[in-house]
Amino acid sequence: EAGVTQSPTHLIKTRGQQATLRCSPISGHTSVYWYQQALGLGLQFLLWYDEGEERNRGNFPPRFSGRQFPNYSSELNVNALELEDSALYLCASSLGTGRLSGNTIYFGEGSWLTVV
Amino acid sequence: GENVEQHPSTLSVQEGDSAVIKCTYSDSASNYFPWYKQELGKRPQLIIDIRSNVGEKKDQRIAVTLNKTAKHFSLHITETQPEDSAVYFCAASITGNQFYFGTGTSLTVIP
Repeated sequence: EAGVTQSPTHLIKTRGQQATLRCSPISGHTSVYWYQQALGLGLQFLLWYDEGEERNRGNFPPRFSGRQFPNYSSELNVNALELEDSALYLCASSLGTGRLSGNTIYFGEGSWLTVV
Repeated sequence: GENVEQHPSTLSVQEGDSAVIKCTYSDSASNYFPWYKQELGKRPQLIIDIRSNVGEKKDQRIAVTLNKTAKHFSLHITETQPEDSAVYFCAASITGNQFYFGTGTSLTVIP
């Protein structure tokens, strides 16, 4: 069974540009989470989608946005890139809301975003 | 929402010694507590988890304990090896809802 897949693996952008990161959850998973991990730091919660809806967002500015598609894959968009947006962006998936058991969260390999 | 605190932020132990990482949570409704290990440049990987109907769970050299009354849970690694060096994250969740992560513990095992 395929795990959580993310693309691209690495992305280099210039300040002010936009970046789009993509995530495919494990088959059968309906929840997708996005986390930002700056070098050497913890997992900062960005967004949570389930069944196509945004369930919660972390303490990030509106230029961080995303969506979840009908096939449960997800996209994270970062507009007006700033140097401090350089980080590893991790996507994770789980079985989602309404499930009573087995609700473990699994991470993808991440997308390294470098803003120069 | 839930608040998960994790201590210590860094931990160094001699090879063969034990390591203990502690987390506390605030929402008494939380019922699922996974632990993740993240090696340098890699993704966090689930190493052990515990549900609220169990007080302790063990898997070889790794064990997790849960005290629901005090709202804290701990990761215990015995007979540590250099390959245990990594960042460890605890998390708390109510089944079917959002996961809340601790701030991470950087464990170094000194050969």
